[in-house]
Formats: sequence, structure tokens, C-alpha cells
Amino acid sequence: DGGITQSPKYLFRKEGQNVTLSCEQNLNHDAMYWYRQDPGQGLRLIYYSQIVNDFQKGDIAEGYSVSREKKESFPLTVTSAQKNPTAFYLCASSGHTQETQYFGPGTRLLVL
Amino acid sequence: AQSVTQPDIHITVSEGASLELRCNYSYGATPYLFWYVQSPGQGLQLLLKYFSGDTLVQGIKGFEAEFKRSQSSFNLRKPSVHWSDAAEYFCAVRGGSNYKLTFGKGTLLTVNP
Repeated sequence: DGGITQSPKYLFRKEGQNVTLSCEQNLNHDAMYWYRQDPGQGLRLIYYSQIVNDFQKGDIAEGYSVSREKKESFPLTVTSAQKNPTAFYLCASSGHTQETQYFGPGTRLLVL
Repeated sequence: AQSVTQPDIHITVSEGASLELRCNYSYGATPYLFWYVQSPGQGLQLLLKYFSGDTLVQGIKGFEAEFKRSQSSFNLRKPSVHWSDAAEYFCAVRGGSNYKLTFGKGTLLTVNP
């Protein structure tokens, strides 16, 4: 089955700790995206990547980092600089025309 | 800058009733418009999209939406709602060659038996 997988489903972060969220797609899509979702706020773009080894900041990139070493993978690291990391994180991808984005199942990050 | 407004935060309908969820967008040219649905704790599923052509778009699960340029609207409709349609619905806009997808804040749909 083609699709987008995110792991883990739930992730717990301790104070001062960096954590990494995984996103993998087997749709052969060129572009990948990370969004943050807070209750009543819709989705906000953190980072996006249109091709391998290239990525750009979205609207709320502070406290986050990404890499794009492989076409199918776009991991997101939530660093200790992100003071309010509790949220639902969604990964998406789109084909070379980048018209339609398809979403993964999400990872919920909680702070201990 | 593009933006999306979903005026209704929460809507409750009875099963079998008709449904219309409102979406207004702001963008200077013809936008790409989308409706997504999200069940609790899940990712977003694409219901339908409008890029050009016929302004009435059919989607999955019996949903349709109509693009009205004069009103800057893209309202989602369903003639008869099922209990399984209870979820949160998001309208989104993407401008032309701009990669960026801007979302509304969502409308939560509750379906009463």
C-alpha cells in the first residue's frame, strides 16, 4: 500500500530534551511538509522540502529542525528551544506539481 | 497573503438532515481550494478539491462543494448526513504556483441520532 507513515503515535519529551518525529512516504512524492496542530487553531506550517537536500522554513520554524537526506524521509526534531511543544504533528507530501497534499496519521507530542 | 475563514466553529445536525459548511477565502487570483476531514486523533483525509473548470465539485463520501468567485466562497454540502460524518472539517487554499497551503481553523460537526 502506498502512503505516509509517522512514528511514534505518541511521544513524551522531558525538559531540555530533543526528540525526533519520523515521517516516511512511499508515494514517490518530491515535496514533504511538517505541520503543527493545536486545538482550535487549524494547521500551521513548520518546514517544507521540495527536493532532497533542500528545505525551507514555514510560519513557525523556531525551535524545530529538519533534514531531507532521502526522498522518502523527512524527520522533524523538536529541540529544547521549543518552549511549548505539546501539540499534534502532521506530516504531508505532494507530487512534482505540488498541487495536492496528502497527510500521514500524525504524532502527538506530550511534555512530562 | 492568502487566508481562509470558516465562520462556524461547531455545527450540530440530525442524522439524515442536509449539511452545509461555510468557507470563505482571500486570494488575488483563482486559487486552488480543498476540503479535508479529520476524525479524532487521526490525520487529514482529502474530501475534494477545485482547481479550475466546473465550479461544482464532487468528492468522496457523498460530499460536494461549489466555488463561487463573486462571493469568495467554497462551501461544502451533503444532502443527507450519516452518523459516521461526525468529524472536524478543514477548508484550505493554495495560490497558483505558491506551494503554501493555508488552512481555516476548522468546523467541528456533531451528528445527533
